[in-house]
Amino acid sequence: ETGVTQSPTHLIKTRGQQVTLRCSSQSGHNTVSWYQQALGQGPQFIFQYYREEENGRGNFPPRFSGLQFPNYSSELNVNALELDDSALYLCASSDRSRGSYEQYFGPGTRLTVT
Amino acid sequence: KNQVEQSPQSLIILEGKNCTLQCNYTVSPFSNLRWYKQDTGRGPVSLTIMTFSENTKSNGRYTATLDADTKQSSLHITASQLSDSASYICVVSAIVANDYKLSFGAGTTVTVRA
Repeated sequence: ETGVTQSPTHLIKTRGQQVTLRCSSQSGHNTVSWYQQALGQGPQFIFQYYREEENGRGNFPPRFSGLQFPNYSSELNVNALELDDSALYLCASSDRSRGSYEQYFGPGTRLTVT
Repeated sequence: KNQVEQSPQSLIILEGKNCTLQCNYTVSPFSNLRWYKQDTGRGPVSLTIMTFSENTKSNGRYTATLDADTKQSSLHITASQLSDSASYICVVSAIVANDYKLSFGAGTTVTVRA
């Protein structure tokens, strides 16, 4: 186990709804990255948060947004859900301040949009 | 075009047999290369990490090789077990302007049969 936790494990939403996914980083880690992984594909980078600020973003529309809290936990919010948003959402934590970029992944949240 | 290409896309092997997975990359400047194991519906777990100067690294029955000149890596699984059934993802890292970028392969799905 990596010490990174995500909630919920699974959820089902309807097209057009909004969803919030949560991630608790490994103790001492100040950086959280979010990834979307479609079935049979590698993870696609959504964005990264470092010390509560967005620090890099992949090719995802603005309806994908995030937050990082003072305890370094993080949320991923997706508005106006589309069927193609169905995927496994992974978060990974790391400690940039130590110069270590090793990312530790959580178990993921499986989102199904119907 | 993806900067990390993995082959084969999937393979089936009998328990006890060996197999080798391939990863070719074009990511530059190269920082390190990791192999992850991802069980179905779970987050990726790191198996090995290699920097430019390393050309082989082992983790139990998993042995990774790296040829930084040809930009190729392989992951060899020895004496496969049923628990080796998973997706294996090659991830190449680059540090550009003090920013850390990960490029993911699409993964190779390995099925081990009794």
